[in-house]
Amino acid sequence: AQTVTQSQPEMSVQEAETVTLSCTYDTSESNYYLFWYKQPPSRQMILVIRQEAYKQQNATENRFSVNFQKAAKSFSLKISDSQLGDTAMYFCAFMKHGLAASGTYKYIFGTGTRLKVLA
Amino acid sequence: DAGVTQSPTHLIKTRGQQVTLRCSPKSGHDTVSWYQQALGQGPQFIFQYYEEEERQRGNFPDRFSGHQYPNYSSELNVNALLLGDSALYLCASSWGHSNTGELFFGEGSRLTVL
Repeated sequence: AQTVTQSQPEMSVQEAETVTLSCTYDTSESNYYLFWYKQPPSRQMILVIRQEAYKQQNATENRFSVNFQKAAKSFSLKISDSQLGDTAMYFCAFMKHGLAASGTYKYIFGTGTRLKVLA
Repeated sequence: DAGVTQSPTHLIKTRGQQVTLRCSPKSGHDTVSWYQQALGQGPQFIFQYYEEEERQRGNFPDRFSGHQYPNYSSELNVNALLLGDSALYLCASSWGHSNTGELFFGEGSRLTVL
C-alpha cells in the first residue's frame, strides 16, 4: 500500500522569502503522479504543481517548484518570493498512473503542512 | 464555467441519523470522487463513480454509499451516523478519459454529528 508522509505540521515564512515543504512517499509502483495541493481556509483545494514519475526534470509553475528525488522517494515543494496569499494548508498527494474512467484516480494524501506567510 | 459545487455547505445531525450530500461536477467532467477530511487530517478516499457505477472504493464501511446520475451529478449517503463521521466531505471531479491525474475539488460539506 502507498503512504505519503509530511513531517512538518506547521511552518511560517516571512513575506518575499523562500520556504520548502517536505514530502516523502512509499510505493512499489513505477509509474505514478505526485501533486501538491493548496487548501486556503474555508476554500476549495486547488492544484499547485504536478509531477509525473517518469519525467526526471523537476516541475515548475511560476514561483512554485519541486525537488523530485525518485530513488529517495522524496517530493519537496519550494515556494519562492512568498506572498500573503500563499497562507494555506498544503497537501502532498500520490496517485497511480492511469485513466480516470478506470477508477484509478485515487489520491493518497499526506496529513498536510499549515503554512503561514508573515507580513 | 462552473466549478465543482457541493450542497449543503454545513449541516448538523445526531447519532444514528442518515445524511445525503450532493455534488455537481465541473462542466465537461463525468467522473466523481468523494473524500472524507477529518479535522487536522488529509483527505481519505471514499469511492469514485464513472458511468453511474462505483469504480473503486476506499476503506469505508457499507454505511457509506453513493450514486451517480445520468447528468454526472453524485450523492454520498451515510447511514447510522457516528460521532466519528464528523468531517469535511469533499467532492472531486475529472474527465474520464483524462490521464493527467488532476482532480478538481469542491469547497466541501462540513458534517457535524452530535
